[in-house]
Amino acid sequence: KAGVTQTPRYLIKTRGQQVTLSCSPISGHRSVSWYQQTPGQGLQFLFEYFSETQRNKGNFPGRFSGRQFSNSRSEMNVSTLELGDSALYLCASSTDGRGNNEQFFGPGTRLTVL
Amino acid sequence: AQRVTQPEKLLSVFKGAPVELKCNYSYSGSPELFWYVQYSRQRLQLLLRHISRESIKGFTADLNKGETSFHLKKPFAQEEDSAMYYCALSTSYDKVIFGPGTSLSVIP
Repeated sequence: KAGVTQTPRYLIKTRGQQVTLSCSPISGHRSVSWYQQTPGQGLQFLFEYFSETQRNKGNFPGRFSGRQFSNSRSEMNVSTLELGDSALYLCASSTDGRGNNEQFFGPGTRLTVL
Repeated sequence: AQRVTQPEKLLSVFKGAPVELKCNYSYSGSPELFWYVQYSRQRLQLLLRHISRESIKGFTADLNKGETSFHLKKPFAQEEDSAMYYCALSTSYDKVIFGPGTSLSVIP
């Protein structure tokens, strides 16, 4: 099976702009989670989608949003970018989203905000 | 609040020596705990989960609910074990909380 793919792999934006990141899960996986990884804060949970519904959300401002399509592909959007949004954004997929399922991670999208 | 702590940011051991990576959690319910590993230039991947009670690549981890710990152990470290290790807690569905990570360096 192909692994989790994320596009684009690298992105440079300026403050105030918005950005959309894409994640394609492993075929058959219906749960997609998003994480922000930074050297200072580590891996922080953003949100999780299952069957096009957001089931869990982390402690991030409303500028961070996401959605999931019927084919389980997911996008996350960050509006009004701030310098502090510079990070590696990881998505992970799992089968049915139960807590003890293994998550399979993508390579990440490296976002730099200037 | 749910939280995962890993007290050591960096851990260096000699090849063949035992290694223990510490993980403590705070959660009032029944936790699902995992260890994830990230080797250099590779994706984050699952190493083991407490529910499976398995040994992977010689690593084991025991859930101690009394001490709220899930330490990762290996009796004889190998150079290929050098990596970043993350302890993780799943509280419901796929909301997973990761610890800050421990960078393990195995010295030849």
